[in-house]
Amino acid sequence: DTAVSQTPKYLVTQMGNDKSIKCEQNLGHDTMYWYKQDSKKFLKIMFSYNNKELIINETVPNRFSPKSPDKAHLNLHINSLELGDSAVYFCASSQTWDISYEQYFGPGTRLTVT
Amino acid sequence: AQTVTQSQPEMSVQEAETVTLSCTYDTSESDYYLFWYKQPPSRQMILVIRQEAYKQQNATENRFSVNFQKAAKSFSLKISDSQLGDAAMYFCAYPLRGNKLVFGAGTILRVKS
Repeated sequence: DTAVSQTPKYLVTQMGNDKSIKCEQNLGHDTMYWYKQDSKKFLKIMFSYNNKELIINETVPNRFSPKSPDKAHLNLHINSLELGDSAVYFCASSQTWDISYEQYFGPGTRLTVT
Repeated sequence: AQTVTQSQPEMSVQEAETVTLSCTYDTSESDYYLFWYKQPPSRQMILVIRQEAYKQQNATENRFSVNFQKAAKSFSLKISDSQLGDAAMYFCAYPLRGNKLVFGAGTILRVKS
């Protein structure tokens, strides 16, 4: 069983489109995250939810909107896609949002905007 | 501001030998955690090892161990008996409040047979 899954794994789309990436974890964790890995492999957090409540919202364009329908799911919706949004997006989860808990990552979604 | 620095963009090691990857960080906290994550070509992020700053003893997980120097704010990863499957990008990470991970820029490890 996959602990943290993301769909789709690859997403190719044109500028201006709207797309969503879905994430699910079956670990019973309370906290979920979205990270972005750019073309230079640099990883940066975007959002974090704890029990469906937003707790971290980094400086991210408001074209990006996370949604957590329940604590096992955290989806990322992106409006009006731009070339600079091309990246790998990782979902992760942890038991709680305490710093002692390791994060488990999904396989990543490679988004290519043309 | 907390920062994590990995000064080695790329390292190479011969199979069966030992390699050390460097990481330094900046923090004003006295108790904190540090992590090393591995990202192989499959791009899956995998936890390698974690260290609690409160503990003096260096963490060890099989062939992976750390050299944690709290005063120097240094957290290096030692890989012993390197294997081809160790080839990957390695990230040092420091969790801020809310478990927000701050990552270093990563070190690509190449393993030669």
